[in-house]
Amino acid sequence: GDSVTQMEGPVTLSEEAFLTINCTYTATGYPSLFWYVQYPGEGLQLLLKATKADDKGSNKGFEATYRKETTSFHLEKGSVQVSDSAVYFCALGGTGNQFYFGTGTSLTVIP
Amino acid sequence: DAGVIQSPRHEVTEMGQEVTLRCKPISGHDYLFWYRQTMMRGLELLIYFNNNVPIDDSGMPEDRFSAKMPNASFSTLKIQPSEPRDSAVYFCASSFLATNQPQHFGDGTRLSIL
Repeated sequence: GDSVTQMEGPVTLSEEAFLTINCTYTATGYPSLFWYVQYPGEGLQLLLKATKADDKGSNKGFEATYRKETTSFHLEKGSVQVSDSAVYFCALGGTGNQFYFGTGTSLTVIP
Repeated sequence: DAGVIQSPRHEVTEMGQEVTLRCKPISGHDYLFWYRQTMMRGLELLIYFNNNVPIDDSGMPEDRFSAKMPNASFSTLKIQPSEPRDSAVYFCASSFLATNQPQHFGDGTRLSIL
């Protein structure tokens, strides 16, 4: 069945460091892929998405490229800020609009 | 535009009491999802609806849990009787039909069962 495997955390980085959070997926068909962010005490917010192979989603300096050959959708940001501290979820949009979420990766950015 | 609205934001009640969580999806969305989030188990899908009809409730943990969607703009998740292990954050999400559309989440209900 469809599933997502996400890099385990927690991740701690200094401000302005480069961020990568790995995400790989297993799916039948051609799913859409998403990254969500959850700030403390809030719900999940869509960060970016990609709907087909080689698409690059981007938002707020974050990027992720849909790689069919490696079944991956890694999240990257060139220079993180303290305000990026949150939990990040990779998700796959499967059949029937059901989503498959990764376990989440907690990011803490220290000044 | 109004997002997904959940109420209450926080609920503290004693074991054995009935708990009702409420959700108003984004207008026009065809799908509605209920999730539970805990530190131990992460984000779990409990049930989802399409056009007000329950499609998959295999994630509902026990018969103590029930969910309804009487119309396109309202859904409830009920726990009766509640137990301390039901303590979690419960999220509602909605989306349009089609798998390339994101789910939009509410801010959640933080439930504590004493």
